Amino acid sequence: EVQLLESGGDLVQPGGSLRLSCAASGFTFNSYAVSWVRQAPGKGLEWVSGISGSGGSTYYADSVKGRFTISRDNSKNTLYLQMNSLRAEDTAVYYCAKQDVGNTGGTFHYWGQGTLVTVSS
Amino acid sequence: SYELTQPPSVSVSPGQTASITCSGDKLGDKYACWYQQKPGQSPVLVIFQDSKRPSGIPGRFSGSNSGNTATLTISGTQAMDEADYYCQAWDSSAGVFGPGTRVTVL
Repeated sequence: EVQLLESGGDLVQPGGSLRLSCAASGFTFNSYAVSWVRQAPGKGLEWVSGISGSGGSTYYADSVKGRFTISRDNSKNTLYLQMNSLRAEDTAVYYCAKQDVGNTGGTFHYWGQGTLVTVSS
Repeated sequence: SYELTQPPSVSVSPGQTASITCSGDKLGDKYACWYQQKPGQSPVLVIFQDSKRPSGIPGRFSGSNSGNTATLTISGTQAMDEADYYCQAWDSSAGVFGPGTRVTVL
């Protein structure tokens, strides 16, 4: 059974940093791309960033480019999102989602339960 | 940047058919997916590659994609189908979601 478990969400001040983690199980982690998708309170889904199965290719939404860094540790079956220079508009539930391909594209067949990031003073 | 548009809301009577559209430039040249999200829950995939249903998704969910419009159709809508529905596609290696459509079963 595929499982994705996010952690690391917290209350952080504007300009601060936070690292999210997503522990994966139930599939061959290094064979699949994974993405972060966020949802601001009462708003829709927004794709944030994706990474290939090998970790060699990364992709970012314009809204986070230069501030967020996606990475993965295939030896630990874990996905990360390092978030720097956080803004109030980054407040959201952050989901990790498994794609059905090894690189960009495909379908988000599986989602985690999400972790809440709140950026406020 | 690439954008997808959806109607904000659709209302349907139980047992009737609900159709939700998703529009984007040459969307038919891409694969479209649809996700269902109920309050307080994570999204669930209901249609992928335009018209395929994942295992466990009822047959009343169907999809199509041509030209500039993808459509999710719910036939014989049930009260349990009341939720937000999001279309999604890829453009230049970036994921793009539509703004979502709230389906209300009256």
